Amino acid sequence: AQSVTQLDSQVPVFEEAPVELRCNYSSSVSVYLFWYVQYPNQGLQLLLKYLSGSTLVKGINGFEAEFNKSQTSFHLRKPSVHISDTAEYFCAQNSGGSNYKLTFGKGTLLTVNP
Amino acid sequence: GAGVSQTPSNKVTEKGKYVELRCDPISGHTALYWYRQSLGQGPEFLIYFQGTGAADDSGLPNDRFFAVRPEGSVSTLKIQRTERGDSAVYLCASRGPQTNTGELFFGEGSRLTVL
Repeated sequence: AQSVTQLDSQVPVFEEAPVELRCNYSSSVSVYLFWYVQYPNQGLQLLLKYLSGSTLVKGINGFEAEFNKSQTSFHLRKPSVHISDTAEYFCAQNSGGSNYKLTFGKGTLLTVNP
Repeated sequence: GAGVSQTPSNKVTEKGKYVELRCDPISGHTALYWYRQSLGQGPEFLIYFQGTGAADDSGLPNDRFFAVRPEGSVSTLKIQRTERGDSAVYLCASRGPQTNTGELFFGEGSRLTVL
């Protein structure tokens, strides 16, 4: 069974500091990876996705992630965070089957402090 | 509608009662998913519909949980004899016909509290 591991349950940072949220996925023949963000009392919103091609993926709100096959990692980064980035972030992996079922990590709560 | 719509947004019920949660996907999306998100956890897959049929129900925890999608659009998740452990946010997602991306679009969820 697939598993997605988010290594940090909480990450506190100061405003304008850089941040990295770590994610490791299960190795598979086909790998499709996603980062979703969940603001308080809202649904999940897609930040970015890796399907194939360039290993550096850029998403919305200045976030980017790098696909690393040898380390089975897909870490999310932002060079300078804002208060408004405070949210829960979920890494997810597609099962590779035709149903496109996603397996999620447990999430990382990013708290940006002034 | 523009996005995935879920009702009710909040539901409080007593142990042993029956509950229905509704999902209205994005127009034209043939694939529909139900997930459950418990406190402090990531979403966990429950069931997947392609059209009217449940193509994968491997995530349903037991036979108290059932879901339907009779006309291939709106779906209802049904929970019988609710237990306190069923308390969670139930998320619905849909996917468009561009099957090579796998991106799911999520609703805001239905928060179920079983007392």
